[in-house]
Parts: sequence; structure tokens; C-alpha cells
Amino acid sequence: KQEVTQIPAALSVPEGENLVLNCSFTDSAIYNLQWFRQDPGKGLTSLLLIQSSQREQTSGRLNASLDKSSGRSTLYIAASQPGDSATYLCAVRPRGYNTDKLIFGTGTRLQVFP
Amino acid sequence: DADVTQTPRNRITKTGKRIMLECSQTKGHDRMYWYRQDPGLGLQLIYYSFDVKDINKGEISDGYSVSRQAQAKFSLSLESAIPNQTALYFCATSGPYQPQHFGDGTRLSIL
Repeated sequence: KQEVTQIPAALSVPEGENLVLNCSFTDSAIYNLQWFRQDPGKGLTSLLLIQSSQREQTSGRLNASLDKSSGRSTLYIAASQPGDSATYLCAVRPRGYNTDKLIFGTGTRLQVFP
Repeated sequence: DADVTQTPRNRITKTGKRIMLECSQTKGHDRMYWYRQDPGLGLQLIYYSFDVKDINKGEISDGYSVSRQAQAKFSLSLESAIPNQTALYFCATSGPYQPQHFGDGTRLSIL
């Protein structure tokens, strides 16, 4: 059974720091991995999607990497800002299902203080 | 206007009541999903639909039912609500192999 774990559960950093959020999954048979951002009282916003054949994806100050063989992904945030404060979720789409089923981690709650 | 709209945004009700949560989307996607989010458990898939005639159970479908009234509308029902169904409910939509787009959620409390 696929399980997704995110460490740390919470992180507090000063503005301007570069930081890394970690996501690990137990079964490497995946179609893709997706990183989301969730703001309080809001839904999830898709940040980056990495296909299983890809190693990384970049969008602005965000860079996500994928090492499928070791079951790991990282989300790198450069020059963090208070507006980056949110909960970050990763989710994998496992192979072997006739669906777009996503399995989510429990998230990392990030606070960036001025 | 939001791409995925959920109504109501908040609901408090009593055990045993029937509740319907509604979702509509303007993205023109065929695929729609219902999730619930509990603290410390992440999101779990309740039901999903690939088109109007294709509805499937997710991981935690017991106690729930759905209706796909049109391509753009997908509603979730709790026939007889119980307290452990208190959670945050999300609707999402996507194209094939594309990122899922989420609504802002419905916070449901069952007393």
C-alpha cells in the first residue's frame, strides 16, 4: 500500500532563507508527483507536477525534484517570503489504478516571519 | 469567478440529518472528485467520476453517495450524518493526467 510522508510537519524560518521541504513515498510505481499549497480556509493550489520520467520542475522561486528509485521528492523554495506561509502538500498518483487517484501526505506547515 | 465552486462553505447540522454538498466547475473538465480532509490524515478520496455516466468509489465511500448531474456538477450526499463525518470536504476537477484543481472547501460539523 502506497504511503506518503512529509517531514517536517511544521517549519518556521526568517524571511530570505532558502528552504527544502521533503516528501517520501513507499512505492516507486507512480505516474507523477504533485506539490500543492493550501492557505487557511482555502482549497489546494497546484504548484508543480513532475511526471515519473522527469527529474525536476521549476516555477519561479520553486523547484521540485523527484528521485523515483529512492521514493523521494523535495520542494526547494528560494529566498522565502512571508507570503509563502502556508501548508505544503505532496501527492503521488500511483500506477495500477484506472483513475487519477492521488495519495496525499499530511503536509508541512510553513511559517516565514519578517 | 472561481473555477471550482463549492456550496455551502460552512454547515453545522445534527446527527441523522441528510446533507448535500454541491460542486460546480467552469473548466470544462470531465473528471471530478470528492475528498475529505481530517487533521493529521491528509486528504482521502471519497468518490470520483470520469464523466456523467462513470462514477466510482474511492477509499472511504461508506456513508456517502454522489450524483453527477451534468459535466459541470457533482454533488456529495450524506444520507444520515454522523459525528465522525465532521471534516473539511473538497471538490476537485481535472483533465486526463493533468493537475487537479480544487474548490475552497466545505467545513462540515455534525453535532
